[in-house]
Amino acid sequence: GDSVTQMEGPVTLSEEAFLTINCTYTATGYPSLFWYVQYPGEGLQLLLKATKADDKGSNKGFEATYRKETTSFHLEKGSVQVSDSAVYFCALTNSGYSTLTFGKGTMLLVSP
Amino acid sequence: DARVTQTPRDKVTEMGQEVTMRCQPILGHNTVFWYRQTMMQGLELLAYFRNRAPLDDSGMPKDRFSAEMPDATLATLKIQPSEPRDSAVYFCASGLDRDREVKGYTFGSGTRLTVV
Repeated sequence: GDSVTQMEGPVTLSEEAFLTINCTYTATGYPSLFWYVQYPGEGLQLLLKATKADDKGSNKGFEATYRKETTSFHLEKGSVQVSDSAVYFCALTNSGYSTLTFGKGTMLLVSP
Repeated sequence: DARVTQTPRDKVTEMGQEVTMRCQPILGHNTVFWYRQTMMQGLELLAYFRNRAPLDDSGMPKDRFSAEMPDATLATLKIQPSEPRDSAVYFCASGLDRDREVKGYTFGSGTRLTVV
């Protein structure tokens, strides 16, 4: 079945540092890929998405590029802020069925 | 912004008691999910409905869990009897199936269940 693997956290950075959170996937066909963010005490919010190979999703300074050749969808941000501290989930949905398959999540902690 | 509403926000109950969690999906959404989140297992899919029909509940312990959609505005997840290992945050999510690859799904704020 489909699966998503994320780097383990926590990732600890200082404000304005560069962020990369790695995500790789295993799936048949042509999945759509997502990054969700969960702030403390809240539900998951869609951060960005990409629906086909070489697409770049972007939102709030975050970016991720759908790389089919490496089956990856790494999340990046050039300059993180304290307010970016949260748990980030990589996920996919496939054309054959509707469910979202999630990675285990990566906690990001940004200090001033 | 339209929201998925879950109640209660927090629930503390004693082992053996029945627990019912409710979800109001976004109006017009035809797909509803229940996920459970724990530190050890991460996000696990429990149940999945499309047009109120259950399509997949293979992730749900059948002996004690049940999920229903009595109407298009309400989804319920029931645990009877509850056990300490059921302690987790339970999320409901909804979406429009034909838009899922573009828009993903919208999550509620969750119900934090503690079984003592």
